[in-house]
Amino acid sequence: DTGVSQDPRHKITKRGQNVTFRCDPISEHNRLYWYRQTLGQGPEFLTYFQNEAQLEKSRLLSDRFSAERPKGSFSTLEIQRTEQGDSAMYLCASSSAWTGEKLFFGSGTQLSVL
Amino acid sequence: QKEVEQNSGPLSVPEGAIASLNCTYSDRGSQSFFWYRQYSGKSPELIMFIYSNGDKEDGRFTAQLNKASQYVSLLIRDSQPSDSATYLCAVRSNAGNMLTFGGGTRLMVKP
Repeated sequence: DTGVSQDPRHKITKRGQNVTFRCDPISEHNRLYWYRQTLGQGPEFLTYFQNEAQLEKSRLLSDRFSAERPKGSFSTLEIQRTEQGDSAMYLCASSSAWTGEKLFFGSGTQLSVL
Repeated sequence: QKEVEQNSGPLSVPEGAIASLNCTYSDRGSQSFFWYRQYSGKSPELIMFIYSNGDKEDGRFTAQLNKASQYVSLLIRDSQPSDSATYLCAVRSNAGNMLTFGGGTRLMVKP
């Protein structure tokens, strides 16, 4: 296993369309995080899973955003009715009790909403 | 006021010099403090973490924490051009697992 994998790397969509991103964490990692990063800013927390349970969700997260991790392995992040303000890099990270607080980030999915 | 603040830079230092990066945070309940490095177009990678007041050294990197002043810093000794990147300060409170990141400081090390 070479690390956290995210798909697709880039996504261009029109405003109002729905998009879904996938994240495959490092196989032994039971903790999974989604962050969003815009140019010149630090990553912004979106949501956190431990195994299949979604334990934390940002209060700033619109109800157009939903995330799942059905079997405690891969996760999906869906954005419904996309808006131009959703354009950002969506980063997934994973960790485990063994890695402690060190997060391993994937390469991200760059979303452009036209 | 942002929860984690950093000077966006760029901070420019000559090769071989000490680079000093600073971060302040607002949540006094913060427990864990991290420095991530992010090269342009790449994802963040952890370089240092610190939990207790004082200094923590790892190779050319030293993290400093002062909880009373709500201040975290990162010193990079003998800076190299390969250290040129954005350095992100991140903080975790005792209320959950999320990390709150600052906006990052762009460091440029000139040969």
